Amino acid sequence: GAGVSQSPRYKVAKRGQDVALRCDPISGHVSLFWYQQALGQGPEFLTYFQNEAQLDKSGLPSDRFFAERPEGSVSTLKIQRTQQEDSAVYLCASSPGTPIGPQHFGDGTRLSIL
Amino acid sequence: AQSVTQLDSHVSVSEGTPVLLRCNYSSSYSPSLFWYVQHPNKGLQLLLKYTSAATLVKGINGFEAEFKKSETSFHLTKPSAHMSDAAEYFCVVSERGNTPLVFGKGTRLSVIA
Repeated sequence: GAGVSQSPRYKVAKRGQDVALRCDPISGHVSLFWYQQALGQGPEFLTYFQNEAQLDKSGLPSDRFFAERPEGSVSTLKIQRTQQEDSAVYLCASSPGTPIGPQHFGDGTRLSIL
Repeated sequence: AQSVTQLDSHVSVSEGTPVLLRCNYSSSYSPSLFWYVQHPNKGLQLLLKYTSAATLVKGINGFEAEFKKSETSFHLTKPSAHMSDAAEYFCVVSERGNTPLVFGKGTRLSVIA
């Protein structure tokens, strides 16, 4: 497709389960970003990749959060031992490269932890 | 450190009347500034961006914003609101050479028929 694709669109998990969220960026885009958007809030930065290199992970809230982009294209955000406060929309964005943006966003994955 | 303050959490206008969404920013460097729109259950769509060229920036769907360094503001305007403009709007700042976008808390725009 032409845009950023995220799957699944909705994910419900029980507290303590592990989840994996997928992002398929626009073809050829070098930079990939993950953001977390809590209900009623603006998105907050989680982590950033340039190709396969994770250049910034300062926004990851705990060591339960892990992201990878092994071949410099598709990225996966993994959350281990989920907790209720992890419930949010997780947005992925990609951009052609440096300098910055604009970033093109996917529709997000809405994660609900019961 | 960079930050953005959106001065109104909710703005309501009548269809056909002007729209003003207010944003103030704080940045240690010459910032890049953006406005994004988010419709329900959708991702973010870029409306316009400022990157130190012209201070009056025109975007899609008739929106524009003016960068005022003296006031550290980047307010979003539209002369005439349409029902389809109802959505959440985010003012965003990014410092040159630094990649993460910093979002405001958003302004929900309602358009009344």
